[in-house]
Amino acid sequence: AQSVTQLGSHVSVSEGALVLLRCNYSSSVPPYLFWYVQYPNQGLQLLLKYTTGATLVKGINGFEAEFKKSEHSYHLTKPSAHMSDAAEYFCAVSEGTSYDKVIFGPGTSLSVIP
Amino acid sequence: DVKVTQSSRYLVKRTGEKVFLECVQDMDHENMFWYRQDPGLGLRLIYFSYDVKMKEKGDIPEGYSVSREKKERFSLILESASTNQTSMYLCASSGPGLAALPAYEQYFGPGTRLTVT
Repeated sequence: AQSVTQLGSHVSVSEGALVLLRCNYSSSVPPYLFWYVQYPNQGLQLLLKYTTGATLVKGINGFEAEFKKSEHSYHLTKPSAHMSDAAEYFCAVSEGTSYDKVIFGPGTSLSVIP
Repeated sequence: DVKVTQSSRYLVKRTGEKVFLECVQDMDHENMFWYRQDPGLGLRLIYFSYDVKMKEKGDIPEGYSVSREKKERFSLILESASTNQTSMYLCASSGPGLAALPAYEQYFGPGTRLTVT
């Protein structure tokens, strides 16, 4: 069965530093890949997605992610962290079924230190 | 913009009560989902529906049931609430819908934080 791992349940970065949140998936078939963000007491919001085409995907709020098939990875990065980036981040994968079911990773909580 | 609304943000119920959580989406999406979110466990799929009156079990359906009588509305039912069902419940929808294009991603409501005492 498909599984998603996110290295590090908590990540702390200084304001202005690089943000790197790691995501790996298990499927041998290239899936569709998503990053969602959840701010406190809110639902999940899509940051970016990879379905086909260019493997470097740019999303909202300055985030981007690169799909590396050989590494089964889809890490999320942002060059310069802002205080407003503090949130929970979820990686998710889908095999593109008609029902759009996705498997979510356990999440990484990002803290930004002033 | 896609809008997914949930009937309550916070809910407190007693053990044994029957609980209804309502979810409505306005994008004519075919697929709707109910998840629960618990610290350290991420999101776990309870049930999903791909059409009116159709439902499929997710990973943790025990203790829950669902109803989808209209395309825009998906209800989660706790027949007899228990303390271990205290959690954040998230509804989501997806599908070509009004956009008529494969979208793949799910759109989430704000969540209902349910406490069972």
